[in-house]
Amino acid sequence: QVQLVESGGGVFQPGRSLRLSCAASGFPFSIYGMHWVRQAPGKGLEWVAVIGHDGTYIHYTESMKGRFTISRDNSKNTLYLQMNGLGVEDTAVYYCARDFEISKYVDYWGQGTLVSVSS
Amino acid sequence: EVVLTQSPATLSLSPGERATLSCRASQSVSNCLAWYQQKPGQPPRLLIYDVSKRATGIPARFSGSGSGTDFTLTISSLEPEDFAVYYCQQCSNWRTFGPGTRMDIK
Repeated sequence: QVQLVESGGGVFQPGRSLRLSCAASGFPFSIYGMHWVRQAPGKGLEWVAVIGHDGTYIHYTESMKGRFTISRDNSKNTLYLQMNGLGVEDTAVYYCARDFEISKYVDYWGQGTLVSVSS
Repeated sequence: EVVLTQSPATLSLSPGERATLSCRASQSVSNCLAWYQQKPGQPPRLLIYDVSKRATGIPARFSGSGSGTDFTLTISSLEPEDFAVYYCQQCSNWRTFGPGTRMDIK
């Protein structure tokens, strides 16, 4: 069955950098686009970024351009999110999710990893 | 950016009742709209896509309708496991979610 397992979250100081990972299994990772979506504690959902199956298509939510970098390693079935210059507003659960209907939606989600930014 | 608004913010109903949730877009999103369900401590689950198509494994009591800027998710007869938060999402102009409708047991 489809499994997405995020890792790399924790407590970080403002200004720091971190890289989240998402290990995928149970489906042919290399033919699917992948997404990051985040959810601040007690709040709604916010799209972060999408990457095409081979990494050539990438798009970010405007407010995250320049600070976040999405990437993937198809040989390792792993999705990444590099986050630089963390701010308290980046505190959220970060979910990776599988592409559905040519990047219009997502169908499978991981359980998420919590990133907490605090001084 | 397309802004989605959802109403009501909270809906209190009893099992067996019919639920009607609304999602309105700030501009037309054509038929590029989905609904997700989220329970506490869990990731969202895709229910409906392209306005009215049920995702794999979603019961027939869930249905979607609408076009352009006004959309509705209907749950025909609520089951105890349906009490959750529901989000709409558009894919016409990048991707944005609505703020959610929380459905509580009355």
